[in-house]
Parts: sequence; C-alpha cells; structure tokens
Amino acid sequence: AQSVTQLDSQVPVFEEAPVELRCNYSSSVSVYLFWYVQYPNQGLQLLLKYLSGSTLVESINGFEAEFNKSQTSFHLRKPSVHISDTAEYFCAVTQRGGATNKLIFGTGTLLAVQP
Amino acid sequence: ETGVTQTPRHLVMGMTNKKSLKCEQHLGHNAMYWYKQSAKKPLELMFVYSLEERVENNSVPSRFSPECPNSSHLFLHLHTLQPEDSALYLCASSRTGSDTEAFFGQGTRLTVV
Repeated sequence: AQSVTQLDSQVPVFEEAPVELRCNYSSSVSVYLFWYVQYPNQGLQLLLKYLSGSTLVESINGFEAEFNKSQTSFHLRKPSVHISDTAEYFCAVTQRGGATNKLIFGTGTLLAVQP
Repeated sequence: ETGVTQTPRHLVMGMTNKKSLKCEQHLGHNAMYWYKQSAKKPLELMFVYSLEERVENNSVPSRFSPECPNSSHLFLHLHTLQPEDSALYLCASSRTGSDTEAFFGQGTRLTVV
C-alpha cells in the first residue's frame, strides 16, 4: 500500500518570492511520483512527474521537483512565484509497472500568492 | 478544455432520489476512473475501468454504481445517498499503464440534502 503526506495545508507567499511545497510518501513497492495542480473550479492538471532517470524534473512554467529516495520525498519548488500560481497542489504516487494509473493523493497544499 | 467532460457540473439531490453522473472523453484513452474529493481529505479513488472492464472497486458503498458502456463514456449512478456523500466527484481518463498522465474533468459538485 502507498500513502502520501503533504504537511502544509496552506502556504502563503508574496509574489516573486521562492516557495517549496513538501511531499513525503510511503510505499512497500517502487512508485512513480506526480504533482497535479487544481485551479479554482477546475479539474486537476498534471504539473510534472518522475518516472526514472534524473531525479530533478521540471515543468514548463518554472516549477521543479526533486525525487529523494532516501528521504522518500518529492518536494515541489519554484524560485519566483506569480499571482497566477495561486492554486491547490496535489502530490500523488502510483505503483510502478501497474496496468492502470491508480493515483494515491495527498491532502493538497493551497498556494496563496499575495501581491 | 482538458478533453474530459463531466455533466452536470452541479447537482442537488434528496436522499431518496436516483441520479446519474456522466463522464465523456474523446482522447482515445482506454482507462477511466472515478474519484471523490472531499474537503480536507485526500482524493479517494472509487472505481477504475480498463478496456471497459471494472478492475478496481475500493470498498465503495453499493449506493454508488458505476457503468462503462464503451471506452469513451463512464457513468456513476447514485441512489439513496447520505449527506456525507456530498463532495466533488471527478472523472479521469488515461492510457493503460501507471506511467501515463491522467486527464481530469472539471467535476460534478454533488450536494445531498
């Protein structure tokens, strides 16, 4: 079984400041790791994912996440946030090699960017 | 537009009503999912269909009944729900395999009164 912990339910930050959203996971099997973002009144959208290879993965809008196997973490970072980054961010895992993408999600972190 | 469309967007129903949620995708995916999103709780995977066969049922009460008539459509039939079933119900689709991206609909906001 897998589980995902996002300790911060809400992270307030000023525009152009750096931010880190924390994610830790627990699993008895190898997993793939994902970050999804949910804007108000929208469904979830994939932000980035780690499957294999380089432990640092990047999104097209400046976010990055680093897979740390020893710490079982997959923290999300951005060096300078914008107002438009205000959204809820969900970390998720799925069992490596599965037939379908059965995502196990954390409780989410609301990123609130203030001017 | 994510390619996954859910209807209705909002639904209010009494505990004795019967209603259905609809999900449609034209992305060529062959796996579809229902998730329940409640406040302050992780998204809960309810059902998984792969190639139109149900492959997962995560101990969901029988008052929720899924149906997948073809690879493009997924329904969630609801009857005799409880107020605690009020939540956002999200549909998603993907190609088979756990390394693929799941595409989510905007959800149906369900309120049981």
